Amino acid sequence: NAGVTQTPKFQVLKTGQSMTLQCAQDMNHEYMSWYRQDPGMGLRLIHYSVGAGITDQGEVPNGYNVSRSTTEDFPLRLLSAAPSQTSVYFCASSYRRGAHSATARLEAFFGQGTRLTVV
Amino acid sequence: SQKIEQNSEALNIQEGKTATLTCNYTNYSPAYLQWYRQDPGRGPVFLLLIRENEKEKRKERLKVTFDTTLKQSLFHITASQPADSATYLCALDGMDSSYKLIFGSGTRLLVRP
Repeated sequence: NAGVTQTPKFQVLKTGQSMTLQCAQDMNHEYMSWYRQDPGMGLRLIHYSVGAGITDQGEVPNGYNVSRSTTEDFPLRLLSAAPSQTSVYFCASSYRRGAHSATARLEAFFGQGTRLTVV
Repeated sequence: SQKIEQNSEALNIQEGKTATLTCNYTNYSPAYLQWYRQDPGRGPVFLLLIRENEKEKRKERLKVTFDTTLKQSLFHITASQPADSATYLCALDGMDSSYKLIFGSGTRLLVRP
């Protein structure tokens, strides 16, 4: 199992450019999410999905789009990059609470992160 | 509004001592609480999960307590080692049963040899 794979690991964008951060998991997890991590701010939830075809907004969704066409993939799109989007981005996946027995493993598995700089 | 608080100041302790980290929350009724470890430049890694009906959970040198009355979890590392130096994050599921996992800002632990 590869777990959660994020690409790219590093990216520099110019203000106004668009790009897609890729995230794939091979654990058949229903739940996938994107976080950004800034110094002193911890992990903040951008968007999440409880299954293919279903997405919803987290705490800081503005400037980002997501889609979930398959169980495995959950790409994050920056529509028009801004310097305020300079951050480290993490994708995570887990089983969906309530979908399995009470002893099911519910922990989140994280990718290695994408360090994005917008200049 | 929902809030999770972890001590933002680094915890600096001597090797062999017990490290105790605190996670406080308000306006939540989480079904479970999780603790993660994060090393610089890496994604968080799951350590322990404790459910609302559990008071305490142990795994090797780690112990987590969960007091739903105080709205607090304590994370203990006994016989700490320099290799335990990292940032530790607590996380709770969203109050609205949307399965969102919300994280505290983390506490950095430094274990001196």
